Amino acid sequence: DTAVSQTPKYLVTQMGNDKSIKCEQNLGHDTMYWYKQDSKKFLKIMFSYNNKELIINETVPNRFSPKSPDKAHLNLHINSLELGDSAVYFCASSPEDRADNSPLHFGNGTRLTVT
Amino acid sequence: LAKTTQPISMDSYEGQEVNITCSHNNIATNDYITWYQQFPSQGPRFIIQGYKTKVTNEVASLFIPADRKSSTLSLPRVSLSDTAVYYCLVGFDRGSTLGRLYFGRGTQLTVWP
Repeated sequence: DTAVSQTPKYLVTQMGNDKSIKCEQNLGHDTMYWYKQDSKKFLKIMFSYNNKELIINETVPNRFSPKSPDKAHLNLHINSLELGDSAVYFCASSPEDRADNSPLHFGNGTRLTVT
Repeated sequence: LAKTTQPISMDSYEGQEVNITCSHNNIATNDYITWYQQFPSQGPRFIIQGYKTKVTNEVASLFIPADRKSSTLSLPRVSLSDTAVYYCLVGFDRGSTLGRLYFGRGTQLTVWP
């Protein structure tokens, strides 16, 4: 009964490759997010979708393209991977966008290593 | 945007009470204060949220002074399993048409036997 699940858990690939990370939530939430966590534990928002529509796009290179086929799924596709893309990527969801007190529910992360 | 500042790391021993303070000097009137806990190889997990004064649940207590420019997460009688990164999160960037949720670096709490 995993609430927010993302696959794969680990992803090792070479520079220049294209890869995707998938995320699904079974909580019935309207909003989903992608966060990037660097080696110093700094957690930074990348994208947010509300009911399949993009509502946040932080200053992320356009090599990163989120896709939401339905409100339960938010996938992250990365083109032309670079060494600096190595990080842990977290998917999250919440009941409403911009709600003050609706907590985020996170998946367990995908550790991406670019060699 | 209400930026937060919290210590990078803290150490404690089992059975002690741990207090982690977060500064948020430019908190807005409508902002809530939320704390998350992250264990290794897991995503952050919501632990407590408050607006003012004191909030307590089965995991922790949150103390917020009247000016709301800081908040203190209190973990009673910590155990080894409380070793984690704790994030303080405040409000949204209401000046924008977009909602943003900024976590920052968090505080690495290490509990020793």
